[in-house]
Amino acid sequence: DVKVTQSSRYLVKRTGEKVFLECVQDMDHENMFWYRQDPGLGLRLIYFSYDVKMKEKGDIPEGYSVSREKKERFSLILESASTNQTSMYLCASSLGTGVGADTQYFGPGTRLTVL
Amino acid sequence: AQTVTQSQPEMSVQEAETVTLSCTYDTSESDYYLFWYKQPPSRQMILVIRQEAYKQQNATENRFSVNFQKAAKSFSLKISDSQLGDAAMYFCARNYLMEYGNKLVFGAGTILRVKS
Repeated sequence: DVKVTQSSRYLVKRTGEKVFLECVQDMDHENMFWYRQDPGLGLRLIYFSYDVKMKEKGDIPEGYSVSREKKERFSLILESASTNQTSMYLCASSLGTGVGADTQYFGPGTRLTVL
Repeated sequence: AQTVTQSQPEMSVQEAETVTLSCTYDTSESDYYLFWYKQPPSRQMILVIRQEAYKQQNATENRFSVNFQKAAKSFSLKISDSQLGDAAMYFCARNYLMEYGNKLVFGAGTILRVKS
């Protein structure tokens, strides 16, 4: 079974703090994703990584950056957290066959509150 | 526009009965993929079923089946013999090509409540 883990289930930070959300997958997947989930909006893609050190902006990248130094690990960084970044953050990974659309496998999510 | 619409914020079903969750999407392509994901209270998103648009046959996974109407851009999920464990938020999604891969665009979700 694919396993995607996220470093924290719940996180509380203060406005202006630098925040790191970590995600690890154990299935040697090429692709990794960060989404945020908000009520009434579903999931929206923040960033996508298709290889180590390679990334592509998603639909809502403003205020976020990412890092992928190792294939299994994908970090989401909030350089200066703001209250409008209070949300649920979901990490996902997929095989990356380059053919069709791979199934994405999700982590359990991190609920971030910025005070 | 890249939009997926789930028009039912909330649905209820009696245990052992059947319920259908609606989803519509936009597209200008002929080949794409559609997904239904389930998110129970544990928050772990689980793939329920996927459909490839070029396949005419509706996908089925045990008690879960889809009604894929390509011309109408509709992709509904039918849950038969509903069980208490089916209670969750259900998200419909379709893929869109990015420069180096595929992303998923999700609908707003439908909360399904199962009554015993």
